[in-house]
Amino acid sequence: RKEVEQDPGPFNVPEGATVAFNCTYSNSASQSFFWYRQDCRKEPKLLMSVYSSGNEDGRFTAQLNRASQYISLLIRDSKLSDSATYLCVVNKSGYKLSFGAGTTVTVRA
Amino acid sequence: DAGVIQSPRHEVTEMGQEVTLRCKPISGHNSLFWYRQTMMRGLELLIYFNNNVPIDDSGMPEDRFSAKMPNASFSTLKIQPSEPRDSAVYFCASRIGTGESDTQYFGPGTRLTVL
Repeated sequence: RKEVEQDPGPFNVPEGATVAFNCTYSNSASQSFFWYRQDCRKEPKLLMSVYSSGNEDGRFTAQLNRASQYISLLIRDSKLSDSATYLCVVNKSGYKLSFGAGTTVTVRA
Repeated sequence: DAGVIQSPRHEVTEMGQEVTLRCKPISGHNSLFWYRQTMMRGLELLIYFNNNVPIDDSGMPEDRFSAKMPNASFSTLKIQPSEPRDSAVYFCASRIGTGESDTQYFGPGTRLTVL
């Protein structure tokens, strides 16, 4: 079983729509969780950390469910610029990050 | 501020040749990571340095791969001899601390093609 599993998508949504997707992780001892964004042929960049209580950053909302070991990301009022691959990332221990394969989102005009 | 700098950005070489990838971390960052990304395997950690010392090289595929960090501002990843299955994007990342929540900043990557 992979350490972090994501629905690869693609999620094709119109501008202004809401899109949401999850990932699951296998190590129940994981302590830190993140969403990274990766544009085509670019490097991954931190989008947001995910906290136990859930957190928002503008149009982006992240949730963590430790009992079910899943993390979600919701994007409201989608923009064309939100088109990217979103990587679910789990910190196994200190420095070691486990990356999901990514969920591709395409926002169309 | 300059981010993580990697060179070359693209490398095309023939099987059997030596390849050297270079990385300059963000100034003041004391942790450095080398990753490899492929369609099949996603992002994989190859090696982790802290204060220029290799801490975890368990991700290095085999003896053909080696990495060094002679000082705080420079690291290399060498493949000798290279093979077609080494074709991938190699990212270098750095971060300022050692805590779980410390953000890793990625360089633009080196796209390696081995023919």
